[in-house]
Amino acid sequence: EAGVTQFPSHSVIEKGQTVTLRCDPISGHDNLYWYRRVMGKEIKFLLHFVKESKQDESGMPNNRFLAERTGGTYSTLKVQPAELEDSGVYFCASSQEYRGIHYEQYFGPGTRLTVT
Amino acid sequence: GNSVTQMEGPVTLSEEAFLTINCTYTATGYPSLFWYVQYPGEGLQLLLKATKADDKGSNKGFEATYRKETTSFHLEKGSVQVSDSAVYFCAGGTSYGKLTFGQGTILTVHP
Repeated sequence: EAGVTQFPSHSVIEKGQTVTLRCDPISGHDNLYWYRRVMGKEIKFLLHFVKESKQDESGMPNNRFLAERTGGTYSTLKVQPAELEDSGVYFCASSQEYRGIHYEQYFGPGTRLTVT
Repeated sequence: GNSVTQMEGPVTLSEEAFLTINCTYTATGYPSLFWYVQYPGEGLQLLLKATKADDKGSNKGFEATYRKETTSFHLEKGSVQVSDSAVYFCAGGTSYGKLTFGQGTILTVHP
């Protein structure tokens, strides 16, 4: 079974440009999470989807970030316009839920975003 | 809010040395606790977990015990190998699934 995949693996863009990151969760996982690690710091939660609905978006830094999960399958995270402080590694994770219990989150390899 | 404080690295050890990476947490209630590992060029992998006080998680020779009285979840391994070189993250999770991570500790093991 395929794991969580993310595309692209690395993106270099200029300040002010737009970038869209994609995450494909494990098939059948209703829960999808986005996290971000800024250079050398802790991995921070951005948001959580349950199927196509945003369950918790308390970690989204500002309105330059837009996450979608149309159809409850893959998700995209768009940054527009990108700023220098958006550089970091963006991780996606997915998990199953059964009777209110969240099971292990499986992480993708991450997308390294560099804004110059 | 919840927070996880993790021993900062980097940590450099010789093969077969004893490893401890400290982790403490602050949370309302009692979260599940996890150690994740990221090997070079790969994504995060769950190493071990504990869901309640006094639980001990173990995997690949690594162990960690959920200590409610000290709010700690220190990672230990009796004899590290070169292949253990990686970045280790301590994390706490709520019943809703959101994880709160520590800063990560880079471990380098030399032959």
